[in-house]
Amino acid sequence: AQSVTQPDIHITVSEGASLELRCNYSYGATPYLFWYVQSPGQGLQLLLKYFSGDTLVQGIKGFEAEFKRSQSSFNLRKPSVHWSDAAEYFCAVGGYQKVTFGIGTKLQVIP
Amino acid sequence: GAVVSQHPSWVICKSGTSVKIECRSLDFQATTMFWYRQFPKQSLMLMATSNEGSKATYEQGVEKDKFLINHASLTLSTLTVTSAHPEDSSFYICSAYLLAGVRYEQYFGPGTRLTVT
Repeated sequence: AQSVTQPDIHITVSEGASLELRCNYSYGATPYLFWYVQSPGQGLQLLLKYFSGDTLVQGIKGFEAEFKRSQSSFNLRKPSVHWSDAAEYFCAVGGYQKVTFGIGTKLQVIP
Repeated sequence: GAVVSQHPSWVICKSGTSVKIECRSLDFQATTMFWYRQFPKQSLMLMATSNEGSKATYEQGVEKDKFLINHASLTLSTLTVTSAHPEDSSFYICSAYLLAGVRYEQYFGPGTRLTVT
């Protein structure tokens, strides 16, 4: 069965600091991996996705993620966080159709 | 990019009544749509897979007689919460599946917040 672990439920960073959100997955084959962001009361917005090829994936809003097969990880990074990045971030793994989401990491940005 | 809409964006209903939520793919045809439920401060849980022209496939633990799903066309799936109760209050999100070549992607709607009083 596929699963996603986001070990950090809540992270606080200072504006301008770098950010890394952790994601580990379990999947039987080559996974499709996603990062989504959700602002309070809003739907999901896709930040980036990995299907194959280059293991370093660039996304929107200055985010990137690196797929490491040996570690079953797909961590999300941003070099300099902005106050508007405060939101909930979900890592997800999927195959042909079914996508499984992690529990989410809530990001708080302090001035 | 592909756009998925949901209507209504929020709804308040009385206990015992039924509520219908629509999910539309605006600029593409989706043979498969998904319905998720999100409780406050929790992740999205897949409720069911909706396939155009056939019965929906429900995840374990989801009452198919309570959450009626109809996917009558390639651009519309509906979720009807029947005899709603306060514990059905939640954020419901749909997604539509688009296969482009050998890759696929799910496009999510903005969600519908249901409050049952």
